[in-house]
Amino acid sequence: GAGVSQSPSNKVTEKGKDVELRCDPISGHTALYWYRQSLGQGLEFLIYFQGNSAPDKSGLPSDRFSAERTGGSVSTLTIQRTQQEDSAVYLCASSLANRATEAFFGQGTRLTVV
Amino acid sequence: TQLLEQSPQFLSIQEGENLTVYCNSSSVFSSLQWYRQEPGEGPVLLVTVVTGGEVKKLKRLTFQFGDARKDSSLHITAAQPGDTGLYLCAGGPGSARQLTFGSGTQLTVLP
Repeated sequence: GAGVSQSPSNKVTEKGKDVELRCDPISGHTALYWYRQSLGQGLEFLIYFQGNSAPDKSGLPSDRFSAERTGGSVSTLTIQRTQQEDSAVYLCASSLANRATEAFFGQGTRLTVV
Repeated sequence: TQLLEQSPQFLSIQEGENLTVYCNSSSVFSSLQWYRQEPGEGPVLLVTVVTGGEVKKLKRLTFQFGDARKDSSLHITAAQPGDTGLYLCAGGPGSARQLTFGSGTQLTVLP
């Protein structure tokens, strides 16, 4: 596609429910990144995929967070048993292999846990 | 852990004024990027600097990378309301291919 696409744009969920956030990277971009941004703050790195593999999952804040990528394209970030502190904007970015400094971001998913 | 500190955190100025935003770290970065983010959107890359002492100009924006590659500045000349946004610096990539982001400078340019 023309740019990185994320869905949904907004998600309100009840505490304790599971949520899935989707990212469609730019076609041909083999690297994909998930970041989390609290209101008006910088971005916190969550996880990086090269192809379908995630070499380092240490950025995920807890074992309630998981992510997968299939077919080297679409990625899903899943948060189980959501907590209020999970409320944030979740941003996805993609880049050509080994070009992390030239990543393009999606518009983000604003998650609100009530 | 590599950290990037940005200052000021908030800046409100009148149209036509000049301003400088700073990004500082105790760590050396292989490269440093500046992004601008508008409400409801993802960050958009403005520039990447990779060489210590490098200066890049983008119209009214001037970016400088410190000689030691630990700090950077963004200078805007004759600011316009369209410059309003959250300015983020980011360094890296790190071992996990991640970028380390600063906390951002929220710039408001009043007409």
